[in-house]
Amino acid sequence: NAGVTQTPKFQVLKTGQSMTLQCAQDMNHNSMYWYRQDPGMGLRLIYYSASEGTTDKGEVPNGYNVSRLNKREFSLRLESAAPSQTSVYFCAAHRDRKFYSNQPQHFGDGTRLSIL
Amino acid sequence: QKEVEQNSGPLSVPEGAIASLNCTYSDRGSQSFFWYRQYSGKSPELIMFIYSNGDKEDGRFTAQLNKASQYVSLLIRDSQPSDSATYLCAVRGPGTYKYIFGTGTRLKVLA
Repeated sequence: NAGVTQTPKFQVLKTGQSMTLQCAQDMNHNSMYWYRQDPGMGLRLIYYSASEGTTDKGEVPNGYNVSRLNKREFSLRLESAAPSQTSVYFCAAHRDRKFYSNQPQHFGDGTRLSIL
Repeated sequence: QKEVEQNSGPLSVPEGAIASLNCTYSDRGSQSFFWYRQYSGKSPELIMFIYSNGDKEDGRFTAQLNKASQYVSLLIRDSQPSDSATYLCAVRGPGTYKYIFGTGTRLKVLA
């Protein structure tokens, strides 16, 4: 049981290049999330998907797009990478789709992305 | 004012002591509160969650919630060097799927 799997683990891009970060979960969880983590900034929500077929913006969505391909997969795309998008990206999954769930999120191992 | 605030630390405690980590939040309607531990270069892992006022204990960890004062704390008893990590507080607001994270407190347990 892998939980939440992110690929790739590391990536270096040049400014202006595009890239898709992949996330897949095998826990049959309903909600999925993409965060970025920068030094001193904590985890900031980029996009989330409460259920298959729905996506919503988080705190820092500019420069990113997402696709909830099916219940298992939630991808994050950088259309034209910028140095400000250098960060560690985490995908997370959450079991319930209820608004008032007390369940925690479970995280993948992260993708370390550098943009030159 | 940030929605979830934590002292960035580092908080240094000697081995065997009690480490006390604090978190305050601004949305009075917040429902659920989580503590994650994050080792350097690793992903966050859940330590505790709490949603009722009072204390919740799990082994060496105790989470304390005071909704009237809008703070949640994590106590680590008999601290070990392996507890040295960054501790993230996360809050889930009412009627939302979003979790808001604090910036984390770095804990150093000195052998």
